Amino acid sequence: NAGVTQTPKFQVLKTGQSMTLQCAQDMNHEYMSWYRQDPGMGLRLIHYSVGAGITDQGEVPNGYNVSRSTTEDFPLRLLSAAPSQTSVYFCASSSGREGSPLHFGNGTRLTVT
Amino acid sequence: AQSVAQPEDQVNVAEGNPLTVKCTYSVSGNPYLFWYVQYPNRGLQFLLKYITGDNLVKGSYGFEAEFNKSQTSFHLKKPSALVSDSALYFCAVRVLGNEKLTFGTGTRLTIIP
Repeated sequence: NAGVTQTPKFQVLKTGQSMTLQCAQDMNHEYMSWYRQDPGMGLRLIHYSVGAGITDQGEVPNGYNVSRSTTEDFPLRLLSAAPSQTSVYFCASSSGREGSPLHFGNGTRLTVT
Repeated sequence: AQSVAQPEDQVNVAEGNPLTVKCTYSVSGNPYLFWYVQYPNRGLQFLLKYITGDNLVKGSYGFEAEFNKSQTSFHLKKPSALVSDSALYFCAVRVLGNEKLTFGTGTRLTIIP
């Protein structure tokens, strides 16, 4: 059982470049989300989805897009990378039942120069 | 708005001693509270949760946490610390009907042999 799989593990971008961070889960979870982790700031919610075809903004959505065409996949797109987007990005999913915990991927470390 | 505070960035405990990692929260409504642990270069792992019922909840690796409604706290505890408990610990909160999980800034726990 793979759980939540994120690719790539590391990425370096130049300012202005675009890219997509991939996230896939094999647990048939309805809820999926993206967080960024920065030193001293904990994890901040970027975007989330409660099911295929439904997405919504979190705490820090600017500069990021998401889509949810299938239950399994929830890609995060950086439209025009900025140095402020240098961070570690985590995808997480849950069944969506009340009180169910999040299952996290191992993260993508992104550096924007 | 919901929020979580972890007042200590760093906690050092001697091996074999009891440990406490503090967490306080602020929500409108009844909270769902979670503790997660993060080891280096890994995603977060679920430790335990409080949804309803007994104020003392037990979780993985011998950890437990006590929900205190009057003090709006959910401190993580373990009777006897192990060196392998050294990691970054996050407290998180959400409320019924709101899928968004809000994290604290994390506490780095170091167990000294």
